[in-house]
Amino acid sequence: GEDVEQSLFLSVREGDSSVINCTYTDSSSTYLYWYKQEPGAGLQLLTYIFSNMDMKQDQRLTVLLNKKDKHLSLRIADTQTGDSAIYFCAEKAGDSSYKLIFGSGTRLLVRP
Amino acid sequence: KAGVTQTPRYLIKTRGQQVTLSCSPISGHRSVSWYQQTPGQGLQFLFEYFSETQRNKGNFPGRFSGRQFSNSRSEMNVSTLELGDSALYLCASSQTSGGVNEQFFGPGTRLTVL
Repeated sequence: GEDVEQSLFLSVREGDSSVINCTYTDSSSTYLYWYKQEPGAGLQLLTYIFSNMDMKQDQRLTVLLNKKDKHLSLRIADTQTGDSAIYFCAEKAGDSSYKLIFGSGTRLLVRP
Repeated sequence: KAGVTQTPRYLIKTRGQQVTLSCSPISGHRSVSWYQQTPGQGLQFLFEYFSETQRNKGNFPGRFSGRQFSNSRSEMNVSTLELGDSALYLCASSQTSGGVNEQFFGPGTRLTVL
């Protein structure tokens, strides 16, 4: 079945690194995504990783994928107060159309 | 390039009424997906349209329906509204319906059912 799980809350100090974790169940997932949602806004795609990759880096963001354990993480370096938001991981369902299965979201709070 | 637009942004309805929400995708995008976001259930996929055809449907009752027009604009309709339909309805567009193609989300329509 399709299921994506995340921890609900993470609090870090400004300037530290944040690591948000996610586990998924669908082994046929081809792409995994990280989205950011700020209050009152829609979802912003931050980055994605193809399932045959282990790591992807994009400026302050690093995505790690452990396909064996079906574990995905997002590391934000030098976390800023503007990074405070809800972060969702999502997997693309194993079929050909564009259906995403989202986790419940991790609320990141960055303390000054 | 203009982003995904959704209208209206806020809506208040009463139980039993019906509602139509609209989504205009990014120019050139042919795929439109709809999601429902609630505090209890999180983000749930409703349906996806590509070139006016529904390609995928989520696990929602038949009261939820949608369509896509030849200009790729999409509407979703909810009939016989229930209190539990109160949610943020998000629309996302992408260039195609397959591959890695990035989905761009609109700001959503917040529906409140009284």
